Amino acid sequence: DAGVIQSPRHEVTEMGQEVTLRCKPISGHDYLFWYRQTMMRGLELLIYFNNNVPIDDSGMPEDRFSAKMPNASFSTLKIQPSEPRDSAVYFCASSPRAIGHNQPQHFGDGTRLSIL
Amino acid sequence: AQKITQTQPGMFVQEKEAVTLDCTYDTSDPSYGLFWYKQPSSGEMIFLIYQGSYDQQNATEGRYSLNFQKARKSANLVISASQLGDSAMYFCAMREGGGYNKLIFGAGTRLAVHP
Repeated sequence: DAGVIQSPRHEVTEMGQEVTLRCKPISGHDYLFWYRQTMMRGLELLIYFNNNVPIDDSGMPEDRFSAKMPNASFSTLKIQPSEPRDSAVYFCASSPRAIGHNQPQHFGDGTRLSIL
Repeated sequence: AQKITQTQPGMFVQEKEAVTLDCTYDTSDPSYGLFWYKQPSSGEMIFLIYQGSYDQQNATEGRYSLNFQKARKSANLVISASQLGDSAMYFCAMREGGGYNKLIFGAGTRLAVHP
């Protein structure tokens, strides 16, 4: 089975540009998560969706960040305008509906973003 | 308050030996789940093992086992017969109850396996 697919794998762009990260979750998974990983702050949850609806966006750093999930098989994380401090690895993860707590989140390979 | 604590920033172990990576957690919820993930240098996050708060037995998955001590709120990962490919960052994570599906991650432990 295909795992979580993220694109692009690497992105290098100049500050001020718009950046769009893409994610295709595992088919049938109800939950989708966006994380950011940096050396300083570790792994941070930015936002997550349940059945395409944003549930908790309290981790989104500021208004420059936005995320959408127009359908069950696609999500985007957009940064506009981008800044050098946004440089990080961005992960998308998905999981099935949680019955109890035993469903792990399955991660994509991440997008390594560098803002110059 | 920090909910997941991994006190070992780095660990090393000799190949074929066992190693324990520490994880303590803090929650007042009686229902929760604990997870361990591995992140090799290539960057992907790989799910290793899960332990539920009501599970009576410690979880095991191949060479991985979880030493779950509920009263001490610890969920240490034990890797037996270490291999060079085990060199990676290891993250402990917790999901609390309440119908939410958020994982809270620790800061991670970097494991180096020496030949």
